[in-house]
Amino acid sequence: TQLLEQSPQFLSIQEGENLTVYCNSSSVFSSLQWYRQEPGEGPVLLVTVVTGGEVKKLKRLTFQFGDARKDSSLHITAAQPGDTGLYLCAGVTYSGGGADGLTFGKGTHLIIQP
Amino acid sequence: GAGVSQSPSNKVTEKGKDVELRCDPISGHTALYWYRQSLGQGLEFLIYFQGNSAPDKSGLPSDRFSAERTGGSVSTLTIQRTQQEDSAVYLCASSLFDLRLAKEQFFGPGTRLTVL
Repeated sequence: TQLLEQSPQFLSIQEGENLTVYCNSSSVFSSLQWYRQEPGEGPVLLVTVVTGGEVKKLKRLTFQFGDARKDSSLHITAAQPGDTGLYLCAGVTYSGGGADGLTFGKGTHLIIQP
Repeated sequence: GAGVSQSPSNKVTEKGKDVELRCDPISGHTALYWYRQSLGQGLEFLIYFQGNSAPDKSGLPSDRFSAERTGGSVSTLTIQRTQQEDSAVYLCASSLFDLRLAKEQFFGPGTRLTVL
């Protein structure tokens, strides 16, 4: 069983601060996805990182995939109240297809106080 | 275009009753997934359908849970003899099946099930 540990589980900060959330595993993944989920809605894909060491930027969000493809981080610069939500990472493996190829972490609950 | 839709959005039932939850995936998406999300938790995989292949039922928590997908499109998740621990948000997602690319899943808004 592949496990993804996300930390911190909960984070509440003031608007304008920077933050980093982490997604760690002892397993190697083909790629890793980050989703954001708002209350009452399903998760929405933010980014997919594929190559070890890859860094992707999405406006104020910076995503990094570890060199060994076992971990990832999400850094938010100058957080805004609109960034509030549950951030989920999901590790992808190819084992002939199938849902066992996608493992979700438990998420980081992020609250940005105005 | 239309996204993944689920119905009902909320369902309150009494312990021991059966419930059916419906999912309409994005047109053309061959893969369909059901997940369960308990309060404040991540996603727990339940079942996966891919085209006409036999579904991957490895995540179903008990034999009270079953699902079907008719005509490769609409899916129904059935929970028999519901228990209070079945209370959760049930999410459906669909995706294009492409082994060359990471599988982006498009999620519906979920059905919030409350078992009294």
